[in-house]
Amino acid sequence: GQNIDQPTEMTATEGAIVQINCTYQTSGFNGLFWYQQHAGEAPTFLSYNVLDGLEEKGRFSSFLSRSKGYSYLLLKELQMKDSASYLCAVPNTGFQKLVFGTGTRLLVSP
Amino acid sequence: DAGITQSPRHKVTETGTPVTLRCHQTENHRYMYWYRQDPGHGLRLIHYSYGVKDTDKGEVSDGYSVSRSKTEDFLLTLESATSSQTSVYFCAISPGRSSNTEAFFGQGTRLTVV
Repeated sequence: GQNIDQPTEMTATEGAIVQINCTYQTSGFNGLFWYQQHAGEAPTFLSYNVLDGLEEKGRFSSFLSRSKGYSYLLLKELQMKDSASYLCAVPNTGFQKLVFGTGTRLLVSP
Repeated sequence: DAGITQSPRHKVTETGTPVTLRCHQTENHRYMYWYRQDPGHGLRLIHYSYGVKDTDKGEVSDGYSVSRSKTEDFLLTLESATSSQTSVYFCAISPGRSSNTEAFFGQGTRLTVV
């Protein structure tokens, strides 16, 4: 089975950098997803990592270490609109059945 | 944005009544999923479908059934609603079976069972 851990809540200041960590245990690894979810809205796709290393996409980057069962999402130049929950997820066996962590709520203050 | 619509968006129902939630997609994606989201639990898979009339259970399927008679529609039924089924329900779709295909989520249905 899968087990995913993320911090429950983080706070940061506008313009700063924040790193949101995710650790996972899986019986078979098929990559790791990050989703963003604003309050009252649907989750939206941010990134997918299947190989070790850092993938950069604008202000957001995602890192994966398969040997450590560890990923992080790095948000740079934080903006107020980045206040949201960030969900780490790994696919279960086949059919892209995602197993989600409980999510990290990020609060960005002025 | 992926064409995925959930209805209703909000519903209040009484304990013991049947409830059906609808997910409609216009993307012709093969795979459809129903999740529920609760504080402290995150998103949990209820049921999923890998084609018309092909469905299977997820991790929290007790008390729920699904049907998919057309590619575009995936229905979730609570046979006899209980207060523990008060939750936000999300439908998701994805085009492919491979693990790297992202899922697209509907806007959610907030269900309250009183």
